Amino acid sequence: DAGVTQSPTHLIKTRGQQVTLRCSPKSGHDTVSWYQQALGQGPQFIFQYYEEEERQRGNFPDRFSGHQFPNYSSELNVNALLLGDSALYLCASSLGTGPYEQYFGPGTRLTVT
Amino acid sequence: AQSVTQPDIHITVSEGASLELRCNYSYGATPYLFWYVQSPGQGLQLLLKYFSGDTLVQGIKGFEAEFKRSQSSFNLRKPSVHWSDAAEYFCAVVKMNTGFQKLVFGTGTRLLVSP
Repeated sequence: DAGVTQSPTHLIKTRGQQVTLRCSPKSGHDTVSWYQQALGQGPQFIFQYYEEEERQRGNFPDRFSGHQFPNYSSELNVNALLLGDSALYLCASSLGTGPYEQYFGPGTRLTVT
Repeated sequence: AQSVTQPDIHITVSEGASLELRCNYSYGATPYLFWYVQSPGQGLQLLLKYFSGDTLVQGIKGFEAEFKRSQSSFNLRKPSVHWSDAAEYFCAVVKMNTGFQKLVFGTGTRLLVSP
């Protein structure tokens, strides 16, 4: 049973560029949440997708957007990258909208130079 | 607003000694609480959860946690620490909004294990 997978593992981008991160949820899960974890901090909620719609959003600017596909996989897009966007981006999946345990992927390390 | 406080940034424990990591939450109703562990450069692994019922919950890797409503705490314990337990530990509470959940995390406690 595959867990949550994320790609790529690492990414280096330049300020102003755009980036797309990908997530495949755990088998049987239909809800995907994205979190940003800055160095030395706890994860911060970005947004959650269910039935291909963004259901709730954390305190992040519109430069952060996402998508969920019919197979429940998801993408996180960040436009106009800033140095402060450098972080570990974590995808979590769950079955249903909660409250249920969320299972996390290994993350994508984004470095903005 | 729901929040979680982990008052200890770092804790050092000798291998074989007992461990207790503190977590305090702020929540109006019965909270849904989790402990996650994160090894360096890795994602988060769920150790245990509290939703309701028995206030002492057992998790993986020999960890347990006790929910104490009177103290708004959900402390993580392990009777004998192994060197492989060195990692970052996060306490989290579920925040519900119009039927959808998100996790609110504490800032984490880094566990160092000395020989």
